[in-house]
Amino acid sequence: DTAVSQTPKYLVTQMGNDKSIKCEQNLGHDTMYWYKQDSKKFLKIMFSYNNKELIINETVPNRFSPKSPDKAHLNLHINSLELGDSAVYFCASSQDWGPGEQYFGPGTRLTVT
Amino acid sequence: GQQVMQIPQYQHVQEGEDFTTYCNSSTTLSNIQWYKQRPGGHPVFLIQLVKSGEVKKQKRLTFQFGEAKKNSSLHITATQTTDVGTYFCAGPNNAGNMLTFGGGTRLMVKP
Repeated sequence: DTAVSQTPKYLVTQMGNDKSIKCEQNLGHDTMYWYKQDSKKFLKIMFSYNNKELIINETVPNRFSPKSPDKAHLNLHINSLELGDSAVYFCASSQDWGPGEQYFGPGTRLTVT
Repeated sequence: GQQVMQIPQYQHVQEGEDFTTYCNSSTTLSNIQWYKQRPGGHPVFLIQLVKSGEVKKQKRLTFQFGEAKKNSSLHITATQTTDVGTYFCAGPNNAGNMLTFGGGTRLMVKP
């Protein structure tokens, strides 16, 4: 059973397009996150949701819009994709919004050409 | 803002040699977590340390949390090729609602 799943695993698209990445967790966790990992492996948090409510929005361009239809899902929609958006995007979840152990999804490698 | 730094960035070792990565925070931490990311994989939680001076072991891995709770280390004894990957430390921010990850140490092991 996959604890945190993401789709798609790979996404190749052109500049200016709009794309979405989906994330689901079956752990019953209350909190979900989106991270961006660049080519140098730096992991930077983008958003955090607790029980479907936005908790953290870390200076991410407003072209990025997360949506949480329920606490098991956190999707990421990106408008007007730019070259600099190319990265691996990880979804993660934790039991609650405190700084506890996080479970990461397999990642979505986004390439913008 | 809070910064979490790791050294070294990269480490090549011969299989069987020991390896250590160091993590330093600009602020005192309530806890420190360690994650391992295999090449092409995703970060996987290894351990959490909470107490000042705490030492925990997992087989060949030894984790330490500094007395001042601002630094930590991960030591691997007699590395194996299965240890290859990037090791990240992470600490909570002051509000306690998110983790700040260090830059990671990429370990490469020559067989």
